[in-house]
Amino acid sequence: GEDVEQSLFLSVREGDSSVINCTYTDSSSTYLYWYKQEPGAGLQLLTYIFSNMDMKQDQRLTVLLNKKDKHLSLRIADTQTGDSAIYFCAERVRGATNKLIFGTGTLLAVQP
Amino acid sequence: DAEITQSPRHKITETGRQVTLACHQTWNHNNMFWYRQDLGHGLRLIHYSYGVHDTNKGEVSDGYSVSRSNTEDLPLTLESAASSQTSVYFCASSAGTSGPRTYNEQFFGPGTRLTVL
Repeated sequence: GEDVEQSLFLSVREGDSSVINCTYTDSSSTYLYWYKQEPGAGLQLLTYIFSNMDMKQDQRLTVLLNKKDKHLSLRIADTQTGDSAIYFCAERVRGATNKLIFGTGTLLAVQP
Repeated sequence: DAEITQSPRHKITETGRQVTLACHQTWNHNNMFWYRQDLGHGLRLIHYSYGVHDTNKGEVSDGYSVSRSNTEDLPLTLESAASSQTSVYFCASSAGTSGPRTYNEQFFGPGTRLTVL
């Protein structure tokens, strides 16, 4: 079935790079997403990648997609304390639907 | 500015009571979703709707119901609240375009924290 997995916790020092990993099971997913959830708030879309791309860069964010291994990663360069949040990856259910399957979320803690 | 709101933000209820959580969006989006967030499970889809009078079950729909009488609102009802339904509930919406070339962002509300005693 559809399942998206992430590690639960990541701790980094301010200024370092953070890499958050995600594995998914639906090889026919068309879009994969990264959402950010700050404390006490809803989720906000950070970035997304279309399945025919290997990499997407957006300022401090780099998304890598390895379709063969069904692996998605989010790299945050020069991590700041404001980046502390829960990060969710999500895949779009196969077919032209609007459903997303979310991962378990990774709590990123940035130490000053 | 367009937005999506949820009410109440916090709710405490007792086992067996009926509870309704409200979700209202002003984007005129066709698609609306309800999720619950629990530690170790991430977000799980409860119900969703692709338009007025359309509702569909998600992966954890037992004990929940929704109805869609207009574009703006998708209330979530817990028919008989159980302690296992203690959670944070999020509503989301997205535009109606569903073609493979549209990335179709989902916009989330601020969440409702529900405690069932």
